[in-house]
Amino acid sequence: QSALTQPASVSGSPGQSITISCTATGSDVDDYNSVSWYQQHPGKVPKLMIYDLNARPSGVSNRFSGSKSGSTAFLTISGLQLEDEATYYCSSKTITNTRVFGGGTELTV
Amino acid sequence: EVQLVESGGGLVKPGGSLRLSCEASGFSFSTFTINWVRQAPGSGLEWLSSISSSGSYIFYADSVKGRFTISRDNAENSLYLQMNNLRAEDTAVYYCARDGYGTYSFDSWGQGTLVIVSA
Repeated sequence: QSALTQPASVSGSPGQSITISCTATGSDVDDYNSVSWYQQHPGKVPKLMIYDLNARPSGVSNRFSGSKSGSTAFLTISGLQLEDEATYYCSSKTITNTRVFGGGTELTV
Repeated sequence: EVQLVESGGGLVKPGGSLRLSCEASGFSFSTFTINWVRQAPGSGLEWLSSISSSGSYIFYADSVKGRFTISRDNAENSLYLQMNNLRAEDTAVYYCARDGYGTYSFDSWGQGTLVIVSA
């Protein structure tokens, strides 16, 4: 069984940078090239922020970036703004073509 | 504008069935893989199932395999989720979400439909 582990919470001050990790536990998560990140404000629909590990959809601020090291993917938000306060989820494809989400990380600004 | 609109949620007793629908507009529905994702109250996102553009490839999460069935009607621009033998732990908001073209990310989401399983 595959799983993606994220820290439950992170915090930062306006203007600072933060990084959220997403670590694969289990052997059937894909090679991380399919990792995507989502932002969800309370009561709202999730929004795609990063896809294919480090690509940004049109309209997403360049303050958001994605990377990886080994079996861990990272979402970095630079120049934190109050509006960035939300829960962030990573997701990946598995080698059996299912998908998996991380448990979510609550960002406090 | 891409739009996905879910419907069919409601209150159902344990062991009961429900069929969710997702009506798409604003894009070429028949060329995209579409997914069902749910979120239990106060919990995170859980991917449930995906169906390829033609319907030839279907995948399920272990948690719903054998109980839920995904299907689509490209002529009607619609996606469905037949849910049988519902349990209390299936209580959640159910979203349909489109795969980005050529990616495994969920680039467009519906507003969701709430399913409550309770006696």
